[in-house]
Amino acid sequence: ILNVEQSPQSLHVQEGDSTNFTCSFPSSNFYALHWYRWETAKSPEALFVMTLNGDEKKKGRISATLNTKEGYSYLYIKGSQPEDSATYLCAPSYGNNRLAFGKGNQVVVIP
Amino acid sequence: ETGVTQSPTHLIKTRGQQVTLRCSSQSGHNTVSWYQQALGQGPQFIFQYYREEENGRGNFPPRFSGLQFPNYSSELNVNALELDDSALYLCASSRYGGEQFFGPGTRLTVL
Repeated sequence: ILNVEQSPQSLHVQEGDSTNFTCSFPSSNFYALHWYRWETAKSPEALFVMTLNGDEKKKGRISATLNTKEGYSYLYIKGSQPEDSATYLCAPSYGNNRLAFGKGNQVVVIP
Repeated sequence: ETGVTQSPTHLIKTRGQQVTLRCSSQSGHNTVSWYQQALGQGPQFIFQYYREEENGRGNFPPRFSGLQFPNYSSELNVNALELDDSALYLCASSRYGGEQFFGPGTRLTVL
C-alpha cells in the first residue's frame, strides 16, 4: 500500500487570503501526479496532471508544482474565494494506470 | 458529451447480502476503474476494466468482482457484504492510460 500524505488535513481560510498545501508520495517508479477538486455531493474534478520534475501548472487562481526527486507536490490557491471550498485530492500513479489517493486537503473559505 | 454516471445514488444492505453497483462511462472511453472511499480515508483502487477484461486489481478480496460490457459500462458486485464494506464507491472512465473522469459515487451502507 503506497503512503500518500496530504497536509494539512483541513484548513479554514479567510476570503481573499492565499493558502497552500502539500502532497508527499513515494518517488520510486513515479509516473504522474494528479490533483482533483471535490465538492460535496459532486464528482471529483480533475485539476492538473503533472509528470516532469519541476512541472508547474496553473488554472485561474490555483497552481501546482511537482518535485519528483523528493516526492512532493504543492497546491496553491491565490486570493481564496468561497467557491474554492472543497476537498483537494492528490493522487500519484506509477505506470499501471491506477491512482493512489491521499486523504485530501479539506478547505473551507470563510466569507 | 455525457459525463460518468453511477447508480444507485445510495443504498442500504444487510450483512451477508450481495450488491451490484453500476457505472456508465463517458462517450469515447474504453476503460473503467473502481475505487472505494471508506470514512476518513482517500479513495482506494479496487480494480480496472479495459475492453471487457480485468486489467489490474488492488488489495480487495475475491468477493469484489466486476464486469464491463461491450458499450464499456461496468458493474461492481460485492458478495457476502460485511460492515466494513460501508463506503462511497466511485467509478472513473478514461481512454486507456488517459485521464480518469469520475462519477458522483454510490453510497453503500451495510447494517
